[in-house]
Amino acid sequence: TQLLEQSPQFLSIQEGENLTVYCNSSSVFSSLQWYRQEPGEGPVLLVTVVTGGEVKKLKRLTFQFGDARKDSSLHITAAQPGDTGLYLCAGVDSGTYKYIFGTGTRLKVLA
Amino acid sequence: DVKVTQSSRYLVKRTGEKVFLECVQDMDHENMFWYRQDPGLGLRLIYFSYDVKMKEKGDIPEGYSVSREKKERFSLILESASTNQTSMYLCASSLPLLAESPTNEQYFGPGTRLTVT
Repeated sequence: TQLLEQSPQFLSIQEGENLTVYCNSSSVFSSLQWYRQEPGEGPVLLVTVVTGGEVKKLKRLTFQFGDARKDSSLHITAAQPGDTGLYLCAGVDSGTYKYIFGTGTRLKVLA
Repeated sequence: DVKVTQSSRYLVKRTGEKVFLECVQDMDHENMFWYRQDPGLGLRLIYFSYDVKMKEKGDIPEGYSVSREKKERFSLILESASTNQTSMYLCASSLPLLAESPTNEQYFGPGTRLTVT
């Protein structure tokens, strides 16, 4: 079974700081999705990365897929309190065809 | 925009009651999923369905059943609610999941926070 390990598990930063969240696996994924979940709500899809080395930007969020398609990162520039939430990476386990979620990174941005 | 709705945002039930959680999606997705989310345990798959009247057990199906009579609707049933089923329940839908597909996104409803007392 493929696992998606995220780091860090928790992150508390001041408004305006930059941060990077990592999503790692020992296996290759055809694509990875990133979601953000705000307290009391369902996860919302942010982006899908497909091609090895691909970089996608969503305003202050930059997503990168590793060259070998085994890992991904999410970089937030000048974090704002509205970025607070649980960030999840996810993808299809090519062995079981199950959709698996990463362990999650809980981000809190303080004003 | 894909829209997934869940019948209740908050629900309080008593131990032993039968509980129905309803989920509706409007994007003609083949797949629908039920998860529960608990602190420290992440998202855990209860059941999923890849077509009408088809269902597959997920990782934690015990104490739950599901029904999918129409493509757009997927119901989760707690046959006899217990306090350990107090949780956040999330429904999701997607196109067919393919290991080599770039379109494996799941679309979630807002969640139902169920408390069993």
